[in-house]
Amino acid sequence: EAQVTQNPRYLITVTGKKLTVTCSQNMNHEYMSWYRQDPGLGLRQIYYSMNVEVTDKGDVPEGYKVSRKEKRNFPLILESPSPNQTSLYFCASSYRQGYGQPQHFGDGTRLSIL
Amino acid sequence: DAKTTQPNSMESNEEEPVHLPCNHSTISGTDYIHWYRQLPSQGPEYVIHGLTSNVNNRMASLAIAEDRKSSTLILHRATLRDAAVYYCILSSRGGTASKLTFGTGTRLQVTL
Repeated sequence: EAQVTQNPRYLITVTGKKLTVTCSQNMNHEYMSWYRQDPGLGLRQIYYSMNVEVTDKGDVPEGYKVSRKEKRNFPLILESPSPNQTSLYFCASSYRQGYGQPQHFGDGTRLSIL
Repeated sequence: DAKTTQPNSMESNEEEPVHLPCNHSTISGTDYIHWYRQLPSQGPEYVIHGLTSNVNNRMASLAIAEDRKSSTLILHRATLRDAAVYYCILSSRGGTASKLTFGTGTRLQVTL
């Protein structure tokens, strides 16, 4: 089954403790991205990657890092999490970069930073 | 990015058609119109997209006005499982073409 898998689905942690949210897709997609969803603000893009070893900032990249060493994986790293990063996070992928490409989303990761 | 305007909420009875409107008066000639929906506790789900002509797929139909300043997502027979927030999104050519800018969408309630 074609899917985007995120782990963990839920996480409660404390300020400053490094964490990684993994994202994996099994569709051989070139384009992957991360969004965060906050009440009243909708979904906002954090980082995106057009292919292996090619990443770039989205609209709200501060406090986050990403890497794309393999085509299928695109982890989101919070080096020193802070409470304002408490949010619902979604990973998405599409066949390739392009403005007509449908995107597939994971089921989300709910992070709470205390 | 060009903006879209959608009603905050709509209601429908089960088994009836639903027409979800979207206004995008500042759309450019090369902007695609996308529709996604988000069911409770899930990630956004692609529904349909189009450029100029009306489009049909197994989930829905997309009717695009001749001047492209508005579009309508049509669910032919709403079911309880169609209750979700529906987002109308424009995407443009360019370096961040795949970025989807989500607004607040239309919350669709489906009742028996």
